[in-house]
Amino acid sequence: QITLKESGPTLVKPTQTLTLTCTVSGFSLSTSGVHVGWIRQPPGKALEWLALIYWDDGTRYSPSLKSRLTITKDTSKNQVVLTLTNMDPADTATYFCALRSTAMTSLDYWGQGTLVTVSS
Amino acid sequence: DIQMTQSPSSVSASIGDRVTITCRASQGISSWLAWYQQKPGKAPKLLIYAASSLQSGVPSRFSGSGSGTDFTLTISSLQPEDFATYYCQQANSFPITFGQGTRLEIK
Repeated sequence: QITLKESGPTLVKPTQTLTLTCTVSGFSLSTSGVHVGWIRQPPGKALEWLALIYWDDGTRYSPSLKSRLTITKDTSKNQVVLTLTNMDPADTATYFCALRSTAMTSLDYWGQGTLVTVSS
Repeated sequence: DIQMTQSPSSVSASIGDRVTITCRASQGISSWLAWYQQKPGKAPKLLIYAASSLQSGVPSRFSGSGSGTDFTLTISSLQPEDFATYYCQQANSFPITFGQGTRLEIK
């Protein structure tokens, strides 16, 4: 059974750095063709893709947030970490991590999401 | 960036109805399109990938079609558990982009 779980702070202050961890169980992140992505959703709004990391540590970022985002992977822990610097109230959202388990599919496994609120 | 535009933004339908949701890409994306279903407070669930491939475990009343710029998601006979918000997503080029969502409500 493949599961993903996001963890991190639920409240951050403006200008702080957000660090979120996605822990994947039941599936190896070193499997060829795999990637893990981060997607966020402001309350009542649509999904927004942020970044992804491939099995071979290749990365891709949303251009609008690229200067603030970093995604890394710890294969030994089967975890993916997302950092977002200089947090703003506009970054308040539910943050999801999601797995593409083969090169032929799309984001087929998702974490439950974690709501992050940015407020002083 | 490739813009994904869904229509309608919301639709009301009854149990047993056939419903079609459209997604248009601002440029050609071949068949690199997925559809997701999201219920309130839950993560999205993959329904369709590669425009028309049904994800394992998804009921066969869901189907997808299209290629290039125009795509559709069809639910052949609505069931109570289908009332949710649906999103399309393109994976042809970065950045990956989602549509704005279509909310399917009970009439």
